[in-house]
Amino acid sequence: GIQVEQSPPDLILQEGANSTLRCNFSDSVNNLQWFHQNPWGQLINLFYIPSGTKQNGRLSATTVATERYSLLYISSSQTTDSGVYFCAVERGQAGTALIFGKGTTLSVSS
Amino acid sequence: DVKVTQSSRYLVKRTGEKVFLECVQDMDHENMFWYRQDPGLGLRLIYFSYDVKMKEKGDIPEGYSVSREKKERFSLILESASTNQTSMYLCASSLDGTQYFGPGTRLTVL
Repeated sequence: GIQVEQSPPDLILQEGANSTLRCNFSDSVNNLQWFHQNPWGQLINLFYIPSGTKQNGRLSATTVATERYSLLYISSSQTTDSGVYFCAVERGQAGTALIFGKGTTLSVSS
Repeated sequence: DVKVTQSSRYLVKRTGEKVFLECVQDMDHENMFWYRQDPGLGLRLIYFSYDVKMKEKGDIPEGYSVSREKKERFSLILESASTNQTSMYLCASSLDGTQYFGPGTRLTVL
């Protein structure tokens, strides 16, 4: 099956710093999503990005499908950005179940 | 706004009990999913459903069953709860690939 690897596993930042999270996947995929899991366990959609670049405020994501990786950029980090960031890819056709990476745990201190 | 709700945030049950976890979505999505999340193992797919009364096994279906009698509701059933089913259970729904998650149920089996 498809393997999804995220790096780094842990990241510690000072407020205001920028960061880049990486997601590598082992096969071509139809869908790639980035999620943020807050301290209460809620998974929040950040991006649906099978290819190309998207931006939403201080966050942006780029997926290079031909090279099988995706990057999540967080600029001017805030303490509320803390939590676990997951990359997930679809197993097959659109709408099928996701395969998750192990996540990157981000801690932002003031 | 997208809404996926789960019946309980926290649940404590005894070994051998039958446990029902309920998930409801209000987006008329056809696809619904149950995952469990454990430290070091990430999110793993238990069951999913593409339509009413349809179900498919995921990666770890043993000890679980599901029910989907109505489009908006997808129930996860632990026939006889065991301590190794202590976990965080996450429900999701999707239509066109983007998955939306509920807040999760943290189940403890004593």
